[in-house]
Amino acid sequence: ETVMTQSPATLSVSPGERATLSCRASQSVSSNLAWYQQKPGQAPRLLIYGASTRATDIPARFSGSGSGTEFTLTISSLQSEDFAVYYCQQYNSWPSITFGQGTRLEIK
Amino acid sequence: EVKLVESGGGLVQPGRSLRLSCAASGFTFDDYAMHWVRQVPGKGLEWVSGISWNSGSTGYADSVKGRFTISRDNAKNSLYLQMNSLRGEDTALYYCAKDKDYACDYWGQGTLVTVSS
Repeated sequence: ETVMTQSPATLSVSPGERATLSCRASQSVSSNLAWYQQKPGQAPRLLIYGASTRATDIPARFSGSGSGTEFTLTISSLQSEDFAVYYCQQYNSWPSITFGQGTRLEIK
Repeated sequence: EVKLVESGGGLVQPGRSLRLSCAASGFTFDDYAMHWVRQVPGKGLEWVSGISWNSGSTGYADSVKGRFTISRDNAKNSLYLQMNSLRGEDTALYYCAKDKDYACDYWGQGTLVTVSS
C-alpha cells in the first residue's frame, strides 16, 4: 500500500500571504495525485487532480505541482475562506486509493 | 446538478450487518466509477472501497477486505456498501463519491454509522 505523508500537520499563515503544503508518497505515484479541501461540517471538495489540474470552479490562487513522490499545493494569497483542512490523495493504484493524514491551515 | 444522497446508516451492534445506499442524480451514472470514503468525526479521510462503471473492477481497504462488499445498480443509479461483521472501529461518517479521472469530484453529505453495544 502506498502511504501518503503530509507536512506540516498544522500551518499558521496570515491572510494575503502564501501557503505551501507538502505531500510525500512512499513510492512513485506518477502524477496520479489529487488535493482536497474540507471545512468543518462539510464534505471534502476536489481542488486539484493529475497533480496540477484545477478542478471545475477552483480559483487560480490554488496550484499544484510535483510528480513521483513529492507534491506541493500552493495557495498564492490566502483568503479567509481558505482556512480549512487539506488532504492529498493518490490514485496510482486505482481502484485502491489512499489519503494523507491532512494539513490544518489556520489563521496566524 | 450532481447530487449524491447516502442512506442506511445508524446504530448497530458489533458483529451485525448494515447496508448503505447512495442515490445518484444529475449525471450519467453508468459512465463513472464510484467510491465509498469514511471519516471518524474529527479525524482524517479513509478510502473504503471503489467500483468501476461496469462493476468489472472493485477494490477495498485492507481494514474492510473480506467484510465489506461494494456493488452498484446502474439501472437504479445507485451505489451500495454491504457491511458485515461490523466492529467499533468501523464507526464513522460514510461518504459516497463520484470518480473523475480517478479522483473524487463530487461527494454526498454522508451517513453516520455507529457500531456499539
